[in-house]
Amino acid sequence: DAGITQSPRYKITETGRQVTLMCHQTWSHSYMFWYRQDLGHGLRLIYYSAAADITDKGEVPDGYVVSRSKTENFPLTLESATRSQTSVYFCASRNREWTGELFFGEGSRLTVL
Amino acid sequence: AQSVTQLGSHVSVSEGALVLLRCNYSSSVPPYLFWYVQYPNQGLQLLLKYTSAATLVKGINGFEAEFKKSETSFHLTKPSAHMSDAAEYFCAVSDQGYSTLTFGKGTMLLVSP
Repeated sequence: DAGITQSPRYKITETGRQVTLMCHQTWSHSYMFWYRQDLGHGLRLIYYSAAADITDKGEVPDGYVVSRSKTENFPLTLESATRSQTSVYFCASRNREWTGELFFGEGSRLTVL
Repeated sequence: AQSVTQLGSHVSVSEGALVLLRCNYSSSVPPYLFWYVQYPNQGLQLLLKYTSAATLVKGINGFEAEFKKSETSFHLTKPSAHMSDAAEYFCAVSDQGYSTLTFGKGTMLLVSP
């Protein structure tokens, strides 16, 4: 089925390890986004991408790396995980034409011990 | 910079009662405004949007919101709450030329029998 999928849905890791969260969408949407959701902070934008090979920082990019070699994939890497990166991460996508709607994945819950 | 403020991290209502979730925005240009809903363990989904057409906007599941420029508000209402409305609700803002949404911190709606 078409949609946006994230993997893994749950991940436990240790401080200092590298972690990659995957995001795949089947709509051929131009824009893709990574948000993190934390209690008391709502959703905060980490990085976004307007097209393949085009990425830009959001509100909280420090400690994260993204790439977009293919339109359908937008992986998020934590190069050296810290406890403050314990969060729920959401990937989202939208059409190039701005209708206002973002389509969200189901989230990846990451715990850094 | 744009921002939204949601008043009240939790709102409790009885089934059948009026639902009122408050959102105030700050934007230097005419904004686009949105309400998203998040059910437990799911991603966000669009409830309704204001994009400079009618100031009273109707969304899914009987929700509506009114854009009031003089009050810089975009409050979400529903005449009669159902148990199934229990979820977290996010207000979001974007200007007409910007690529991303800025979310509020969210309001958890609790519905009691």
